[in-house]
Amino acid sequence: GAVVSQHPSWVICKSGTSVKIECRSLDFQATTMFWYRQFPKQSLMLMATSNEGSKATYEQGVEKDKFLINHASLTLSTLTVTSAHPEDSSFYICSARISGVVDTQYFGPGTRLTVL
Amino acid sequence: SQKIEQNSEALNIQEGKTATLTCNYTNYSPAYLQWYRQDPGRGPVFLLLIRENEKEKRKERLKVTFDTTLKQSLFHITASQPADSATYLCALVSWNFNKFYFGSGTKLNVKP
Repeated sequence: GAVVSQHPSWVICKSGTSVKIECRSLDFQATTMFWYRQFPKQSLMLMATSNEGSKATYEQGVEKDKFLINHASLTLSTLTVTSAHPEDSSFYICSARISGVVDTQYFGPGTRLTVL
Repeated sequence: SQKIEQNSEALNIQEGKTATLTCNYTNYSPAYLQWYRQDPGRGPVFLLLIRENEKEKRKERLKVTFDTTLKQSLFHITASQPADSATYLCALVSWNFNKFYFGSGTKLNVKP
């Protein structure tokens, strides 16, 4: 149980284009999902907290107009990287919490974004 | 801002031995501390959580200690197996589970 999927698993795009990454909780409802970014050999950095039916909460230094988050249902959150540039190339990982259970987050397998 | 230090060098041990990984932190007082396992190209998998008022937590071959005075957590894997080879991350967690601060992880290699 508690499986989280991400799609796509990897994507290559041209500079200036937008890329959408999906995060789904497959067998549970998730009121809250988190989006992280991880550069090679570095720690996961929390980018934003996504709450179903409300606006996402962004961490300091993360541009909300560049990283658009939508959490339209209890099983799906999307992250759109707008006008992507090479410096946005990274490993993007989402996690989800079972609604009502706060102490555990279940991570997706991650999405490798490469911007040319 | 908070700083989390995990040994950036890989830890190489022989199968059957106990692996001990260290997580030191400063500039933050977490209410909880979590340990995760991460395999290459995959998302982390939750292993253990320990509360600030707990000294030690065990789960099967895993043991975590938490010293809030030293600002340090130790993660032990007893009777290690090659399948335990992975990167292990510690995370400082706020009281309301809304903030997670991850270390960069320590890579463990268990040799047969």
